[in-house]
Amino acid sequence: AQSVSQHNHHVILSEAASLELGCNYSYGGTVNLFWYVQYPGQHLQLLLKYFSGDPLVKGIKGFEAEFIKSKFSFNLRKPSVQWSDTAEYFCAVNAASGGGADGLTFGKGTHLIIQP
Amino acid sequence: GAGVSQSPRYKVAKRGQDVALRCDPISGHVSLFWYQQALGQGPEFLTYFQNEAQLDKSGLPSDRFFAERPEGSVSTLKIQRTQQEDSAVYLCASSLYEDQPQHFGDGTRLSIL
Repeated sequence: AQSVSQHNHHVILSEAASLELGCNYSYGGTVNLFWYVQYPGQHLQLLLKYFSGDPLVKGIKGFEAEFIKSKFSFNLRKPSVQWSDTAEYFCAVNAASGGGADGLTFGKGTHLIIQP
Repeated sequence: GAGVSQSPRYKVAKRGQDVALRCDPISGHVSLFWYQQALGQGPEFLTYFQNEAQLDKSGLPSDRFFAERPEGSVSTLKIQRTQQEDSAVYLCASSLYEDQPQHFGDGTRLSIL
């Protein structure tokens, strides 16, 4: 079974600060990795995903994440945050497969607050 | 475009009652997932459909939980004899094919009194 650990449950930053949210997973096989964001009052939205290839993936709104296989990590980064980035961020993983789908295993989430 | 639609948005029920939660996936999406999200936690997988076939129900917490997708589009999650620990947000997600990113609905917030 997979598990996902997000290091920080609450993060408070000032606008223009750099952001890094940690995510580690536990699974013995090949995985797909995701970051989802939930803005206040909205549904979960996909920020970015890693299936294979270049371990540095770029997503929407200036976010990027790096898959480091040796560390079982998929940390989310943004060089300069904005007030509108205030949201809940979830790291998720599922088993990569040639056929069939696998439900996502989520971390507990990180509540990010950006102060103007 | 139309996203995943869930209804009702909020449901309050007394302990012991049965409830039914509906999910309309994005049109044409083959895969459909149900998740349960307790307060302060990440979503937890309940069950997965590929078209009308329920291929994985390993996450359903008890036999009081039942899901169906009879025509391969709309899905219903039913909880019988509800208990207080069933209080949570129930999320539905769909994807076009296997191994494609999942698109989530707004969820149904279920409160059991």
